[in-house]
Formats: sequence, structure tokens, C-alpha cells
Amino acid sequence: DIQMTQSPSTLSASVGDRVTITCRASQSISNWVAWYQQKPGKAPKLLIFRASTLESGVPSRFSGSGSGTEFSLTISRLQPDDFATYYCQHYNTNSLFTFGPGTKVDVK
Amino acid sequence: QITLKESGPTLVRPTQTLTLTCTFSGFSLGSSGVGVGWVRQPPGKALEWLAVVYWDDNKRYSPSLKNRVSITTDTFKNSVVLTVTNMDPKDTATYFCARTVIPARQAFDFWGQGTLVTVSS
Repeated sequence: DIQMTQSPSTLSASVGDRVTITCRASQSISNWVAWYQQKPGKAPKLLIFRASTLESGVPSRFSGSGSGTEFSLTISRLQPDDFATYYCQHYNTNSLFTFGPGTKVDVK
Repeated sequence: QITLKESGPTLVRPTQTLTLTCTFSGFSLGSSGVGVGWVRQPPGKALEWLAVVYWDDNKRYSPSLKNRVSITTDTFKNSVVLTVTNMDPKDTATYFCARTVIPARQAFDFWGQGTLVTVSS
């Protein structure tokens, strides 16, 4: 089974910072990687799918990139509403989903 | 407007079977590419995918829970039911249902609010 890891597990940042979260797969995978934002007590919100496609309605300060075993989510200028936990997710060729362990972005 | 909502018991005894229903509107599970899946999240922990059923009745399960989980649709494909057998306190979690569309997204684009299920005697 493909394992997904994320780094860092916690990221302390300030409003206006550029933030990058990395998701690594245990072996080379397709670009069927998605990113979600989750706030406490709420359902996850889809931000990015197919590694780099921005979901409708998501601010353009969010972007995704990567290939092979390493994928990343970047927030170009962190806003107060962006403090949350972020998860990557992979969809494999057997139609199975796998989530990463999450990265919490908190206030520095 | 697409909505999904989970319903079912909030408290389950150890060894019992959990049955949750996801009722949705605004899309059809009969449309090509559409799927509805279940994801759970233990308190303070990460998301864990459990199962998904697609428009063609194709079903996929998490390898780690495959022997205990089952996903079905009702006759009219208006809802999706998840059953988890032999519940344990470790299965205490918020259970979410969500929509996916393949090959367009391979991700969950609309989610229910989630329902907290506690396993305790």
C-alpha cells in the first residue's frame, strides 16, 4: 500500500507569510493528489485536485504542484482565515483513497 | 445546491454493528462518474477513508477495514448506507459522507457535516 506523509506536522506562521506544506508518497504516484483545509468542528474543504487544479471558489493564493513522490501546497500570503489543518489525499489506480496525516498551520 | 447529511446512532456498544445513512440531494448517483464515500476522523486525529460506491455500483473499501465495512445504496439511489461490524472504542470518530466525481476530480468535493459516533459500554 502507498503511504502518504506530510511535513511539517505543525507550522507556525504570521499573516502575510508564504507557506508551503509538503506531501510525500512512499512510491511514485500519479498526479491524482488533492488538498483539503479543515477547521475545528467542520468538514474538510477541497482546495486543490489533480495536484494543481484550483477548486472553484478557492482563493488564488492557494496553489498546488508536484509530481512523482513529492507534492506541495503553497499559500502565497497567509490570511487570518487560513489558520487550519491541511490534508493531502491520493487516489490510486485501484480506486482507493489515502489521506495524509495532516499539517496544522497555527499563529506564530 | 448539493447537500449531504449523515444520520444514525450517536452511541454504539462494543461488538455491535454501526449503521449510518447518508442522504443527499442536488446530484444523482446514477450519473456517470459520481460516487459517494465515507471518511471518519477520531477526535483530534487525521482523516481516514473507509469506503466508496460509484454510479455503476462499483464499490471500494479501505484495506485496513475491508472485512468489517460494507457500503450500499438504496433502491432509488437517494442514499448510501455504511455498516461497520464489531465496533470497538477505537472506532469512536466523526463519520463524514462526501461526493466524488471520477475522472474529473478523484477527490471529495462536497461533504456532509459529519456525525459523531461514540463506542462505549
